[in-house]
Amino acid sequence: IAGITQAPTSQILAAGRRMTLRCTQDMRHNAMYWYRQDLGLGLRLIHYSNTAGTTGKGEVPDGYSVSRANTDDFPLTLASAVPSQTSVYFCASSDMGTGANVLTFGAGSRLTVL
Amino acid sequence: GQNIDQPTEMTATEGAIVQINCTYQTSGFNGLFWYQQHAGEAPTFLSYNVLDGLEEKGRFSSFLSRSKGYSYLLLKELQMKDSASYLCAVRDSNYQLIWGAGTKLIIKP
Repeated sequence: IAGITQAPTSQILAAGRRMTLRCTQDMRHNAMYWYRQDLGLGLRLIHYSNTAGTTGKGEVPDGYSVSRANTDDFPLTLASAVPSQTSVYFCASSDMGTGANVLTFGAGSRLTVL
Repeated sequence: GQNIDQPTEMTATEGAIVQINCTYQTSGFNGLFWYQQHAGEAPTFLSYNVLDGLEEKGRFSSFLSRSKGYSYLLLKELQMKDSASYLCAVRDSNYQLIWGAGTKLIIKP
């Protein structure tokens, strides 16, 4: 089934631990994104990548890093988790062209940092 | 700063019509999107407006007025499965998406 796969679905993590959220897409989209979603707030962009080999910072990049070694994979790493990083994380992808470039989202990863 | 405003919550009756408003102030404009998000699930695309006017897609329609910084999503013949959050997002001059906090729509029988 074409789409985006995120892992893990849910994770409880001790503060200070390192964590990588995985994201894989099979739609050959150029652009990929990581968002966090918190109650009462809109989706906030953490990092993005317009094409393999390039990444950029979004609205809330501090404490997070990403890599884009190939078209399909876009992992998000929390080097040393803190409780304020408790959130639901969505990976998304889209084409990069002159049209709507609609985002397709993964199912989300719910992360709790204690 | 950039801002998207939409009501936090709305309630409507099954079979009725509901209009969800979205106002925006952004640095430039390159399109407005509506997404639907059921509780515990990912957002899914509903509609895209880049020119003024109404876009109709089945029971759902979306309207845009760029001069007023205003859009609405109109849902007709409401069904229980329409209970969800509806997210408004605007693409700014840097082609970044600015998201509203979402409107939770509750449908009552």
